[in-house]
Amino acid sequence: GENVEQHPSTLSVQEGDSAVIKCTYSDSASNYFPWYKQELGKGPQLIIDIRSNVGEKKDQRIAVTLNKTAKHFSLHITETQPEDSAVYFCAASGTRSYIPTFGRGTSLIVHP
Amino acid sequence: NAGVTQTPKFQVLKTGQSMTLQCAQDMNHEYMSWYRQDPGMGLRLIHYSVGAGITDQGEVPNGYNVSRSTTEDFPLRLLSAAPSQTSVYFCASGTGGETQYFGPGTRLLVL
Repeated sequence: GENVEQHPSTLSVQEGDSAVIKCTYSDSASNYFPWYKQELGKGPQLIIDIRSNVGEKKDQRIAVTLNKTAKHFSLHITETQPEDSAVYFCAASGTRSYIPTFGRGTSLIVHP
Repeated sequence: NAGVTQTPKFQVLKTGQSMTLQCAQDMNHEYMSWYRQDPGMGLRLIHYSVGAGITDQGEVPNGYNVSRSTTEDFPLRLLSAAPSQTSVYFCASGTGGETQYFGPGTRLLVL
């Protein structure tokens, strides 16, 4: 089955800095790569996603890049704000399994 | 739309007790899943369903049962609770290969 590795497990930045979270996947059949944000005491919510036919996608301060050859994808947050503090999960799914496999999560702390 | 709802929000059980965690969605999604979240372990898949009457095991199914008699509901049953099942449980629904919509979670403490 699919295996998703996510790094780092904890990321501490100053407000205004950029943050990068990286994930790798194992199944070349995976073609959908979402990112979820989980605020304290809540369920994860989708913030951005990318499909295998696209190399990069942006939505205001967040962007995701995908390298299919290397089987890795990354989340980039620019101009971080304290409200970006949360746990972020990457995931992968595809034609072999429509149920996504999640990474272990990254706890992002943005210091004011 | 209420989205994905879960009840109860919090539950304390004694070892050996049984209970059912409820999950419902009103988005007519085919796929529904149960995850448990433990510190440092991320979201681990317990059971999932690809439609009414169809269920399958995930990564950590032992000690849990599920059924899917309707599109809307996907209850998770703990047959005989153990302290190792202390966790936060999330239900999710989606259309398969697309966005998963998560419920608010059930926090379970087994003494």
